[in-house]
Amino acid sequence: SQTIHQWPATLVQPVGSPLSLECTVEGTSNPNLYWYRQAAGRGLQLLFYSVGIGQISSEVPQNLSASRPQDRQFILSSKKLLLSDSGFYLCAWSLWTVGIATNEKLFFGSGTQLSVL
Amino acid sequence: ELKVEQNPLFLSMQEGKNYTIYCNYSTTSDRLYWYRQDPGKSLESLFVLLSNGAVKQEGRLMASLDTKARLSTLHITAAVHDLSATYFCAVTSRGSTLGRLYFGRGTQLTVWP
Repeated sequence: SQTIHQWPATLVQPVGSPLSLECTVEGTSNPNLYWYRQAAGRGLQLLFYSVGIGQISSEVPQNLSASRPQDRQFILSSKKLLLSDSGFYLCAWSLWTVGIATNEKLFFGSGTQLSVL
Repeated sequence: ELKVEQNPLFLSMQEGKNYTIYCNYSTTSDRLYWYRQDPGKSLESLFVLLSNGAVKQEGRLMASLDTKARLSTLHITAAVHDLSATYFCAVTSRGSTLGRLYFGRGTQLTVWP
């Protein structure tokens, strides 16, 4: 069965410090990978998605970046954190079927609560 | 951009009562999802609705989809405390090949004795 691992679970960082959040998926090949962010009391906002190694698309301009060095590894980074980067970050994966409506779902990791102080 | 609105955002209900959460979306979509989130936890998939008139039920929760009205409902029957959580609906844009989901802000449900 497929599993998704995300770490760390909690992170407190000072403004201006770097960030690296990691996500790995097991039990599947060539998944689509996603980074979502949830601000307090809000819905989820898609930050980045990837359909393959080295292929990253950004949804929202910001000081964050993402990389996919391996098929099942997705990393969210920042060189200098801002206060507004605080939030709950969720990695997700799917095996999306092109052009066909199926029961395909997004499966989410356990999340990282990031507090920038 | 596809917009998703949920209401109510906060719902406090007594055990044993029934209630409905509403989810409206702004443009044509071919998939609608309901997720549950417990405090500080990840999202758990509840339902995927694909076609007009689709209805799915699990336990005390029933979800339905009206694509013509661009409306989905999540009906709670005889609520119990264990249902306390935040419920999100999400949709994909029509023809999406990437699994990009647009989420509502969520409905925070509290069930009290």
